[in-house]
Amino acid sequence: EVQLVESGGGLVKPGGPLRLSCAASGFTFSDYRMHWVRQAPGKGLEWVSSISGTNSFTYYADSVKGRFTISRDNAKNSLYLQMNSLRAEDTAVYYCARVTSSVAILDAFDIWGHGTMVIVSS
Amino acid sequence: EIVLTQSPDFQSVTPKEKLTITCRASQSIGSSLHWYQQKPDQSPKLLIKFASQSISGVPSRFSGSGSGTDFTLTINSLEAEDAATYYCHQSSSLPLTFGQGTKVEIK
Repeated sequence: EVQLVESGGGLVKPGGPLRLSCAASGFTFSDYRMHWVRQAPGKGLEWVSSISGTNSFTYYADSVKGRFTISRDNAKNSLYLQMNSLRAEDTAVYYCARVTSSVAILDAFDIWGHGTMVIVSS
Repeated sequence: EIVLTQSPDFQSVTPKEKLTITCRASQSIGSSLHWYQQKPDQSPKLLIKFASQSISGVPSRFSGSGSGTDFTLTINSLEAEDAATYYCHQSSSLPLTFGQGTKVEIK
């Protein structure tokens, strides 16, 4: 079964760091570009970051650029999001998502994890 | 940044009714527009990709159309299980963006 499972969320103080992980299974992880998408409580979806299959290209939303770092370990079938200098407005459920095609650069997301909640509060 | 504007924000419909949700892009995005369904406390589910391409396992009552800046998601003969929030999403250019969502209530 194709599956993504996030972990690492929790309560963190403003300015603090947190590292999210996403474990992939059921597909050839290294073939696919991966993304992080977040959803603040009661709000809509916001794209956060993406990384190519071979780690060569990363992209970020302006709201997180310079504070968040996306990475992956294809040997471990894992995706990561290192979040530093966290702010209250980063409070959200963070989803990892896979694109539908192994060859597309920009594509729809066909597989989503269940999400992990990040709460930034003092 | 490409802004996606959905309408309506909320719609209350009766079972078996037909529902149309529109998504307008602030600039042309070709057919790089996708639709998702999100039920409470669940992750989004892909319904339609590239404006009109169907997704395996998604009921045939869901269909999409449009190109350029104007897109439509149509749900024929709504069922109780279709109560959810629906989002459009563009993958034409970075940053990737989503519409604000359309909440659908079944009466």
